[in-house]
Amino acid sequence: QKEVEQDPGPLSVPEGAIVSLNCTYSNSAFQYFMWYRQYSRKGPELLMYTYSSGNKEDGRFTAQVDKSSKYISLFIRDSQPSDSATYLCAISSAGNMLTFGGGTRLMVKP
Amino acid sequence: NAGVTQTPKFQVLKTGQSMTLQCAQDMNHNSMYWYRQDPGMGLRLIYYSASEGTTDKGEVPNGYNVSRLNKREFSLRLESAAPSQTSVYFCASRGGIYVGDTDTQYFGPGTRLTVL
Repeated sequence: QKEVEQDPGPLSVPEGAIVSLNCTYSNSAFQYFMWYRQYSRKGPELLMYTYSSGNKEDGRFTAQVDKSSKYISLFIRDSQPSDSATYLCAISSAGNMLTFGGGTRLMVKP
Repeated sequence: NAGVTQTPKFQVLKTGQSMTLQCAQDMNHNSMYWYRQDPGMGLRLIYYSASEGTTDKGEVPNGYNVSRLNKREFSLRLESAAPSQTSVYFCASRGGIYVGDTDTQYFGPGTRLTVL
């Protein structure tokens, strides 16, 4: 079993929809949670970062962490075609390396 | 300020050939990383360098060597390329020294490598 699991998609939604992207993880020591966005043929870029459980909002993006369920989510409101990309969750514990999920490909259709 | 740069962008090798992937950052970052990305596998860490003069193995180091040439540059060498090393390789850098620090990792544009 992988330490971090992510549905590969693709997830296709119409413009304006609310998107929910999710990851599950197995190591309860993880306490730093990140979402990276990767456009086609580009390097990943950090989108959101959260520490421990709770929510964090940044514009149209909300990151949610539920440590009791070992489940993290990224919500995108009012999705735009420019949001079409692969979204990677990344998790770490203090003193350890980042562990990435396999990525979910999102397509937002005009 | 170019961020993280990688050369070459594309490379085709024959089995058994060697090559070095170059990475440089101009952000005065301490830590640098090499990842490979394969379909459905996410990013897997090959080697990292927490600071100039140190290197450590990551999750998938077999078949690779690295050199932290100076604070700016971190190269990845394939001594005898194999088809299993066909992948996209990303270099990243981060300001912190401690691997668990959550400073942002900045990624380069990647090198697409095919081994025939």
